Amino acid sequence: QVQLKESGPGLVQPSQTLSLTCTVSGFSLMDYSVHWVRQPPGKGLEWMGRMKYDGDTYYNSALKSRLSISRDTSKSQVFLKMNSLQTEDTAIYYCTRSLGARGYWGQGVMVTVSS
Amino acid sequence: DIQMTQSPSFLSASVGDRVTINCKASQNINKYLDWYQQKLGEAPKLLIYNTNSLHTAIPSRFSGSGSGTDFTLTISSLQPEDVATYFCFQHNSGFTFGSGTKLEIK
Repeated sequence: QVQLKESGPGLVQPSQTLSLTCTVSGFSLMDYSVHWVRQPPGKGLEWMGRMKYDGDTYYNSALKSRLSISRDTSKSQVFLKMNSLQTEDTAIYYCTRSLGARGYWGQGVMVTVSS
Repeated sequence: DIQMTQSPSFLSASVGDRVTINCKASQNINKYLDWYQQKLGEAPKLLIYNTNSLHTAIPSRFSGSGSGTDFTLTISSLQPEDVATYFCFQHNSGFTFGSGTKLEIK
């Protein structure tokens, strides 16, 4: 059974770094890509970046300077780090296995940026 | 980067109506356009992939069409459970979501 679960701090202070973990089960990170997508409250979806199954990464150009995605295949975990957080980074952060017909989404984790 | 322009932003229709939602890409994305449905408080759910392929267990009243830069999601007969926000998503060159269409029942 494919599952993805995001975890991380619910509250981050402005200018600080966000660290999120996506823990997966039911598939191997060496067989499927994992994407990060976020959604500010009441707004649309923003694709953030991807950890490909071969270890390659690809980022949204608007976030590239602040964003880093990595993984630990032995622990079935994918990590997101984004620095210099501002209030507009307040959002639900989702990790997804692939996108499209083989996609599965986590439930998402709410992150609030506030002092 | 490819931009996706989705219209309308808001749509109100009656049960049984035929509903169409449009997405226009800033450049050719071939057939690589998916449609997602998101209900309040839930993660997005895939409806249509690669322009016109219906995802598993999605009712046949949903269909997709288009090519190149212009794409359409059609609901042939609107049902109350279709109240949601709909997003298009291109994955031909990079990855980009449309801005969304909020659909309500009149």
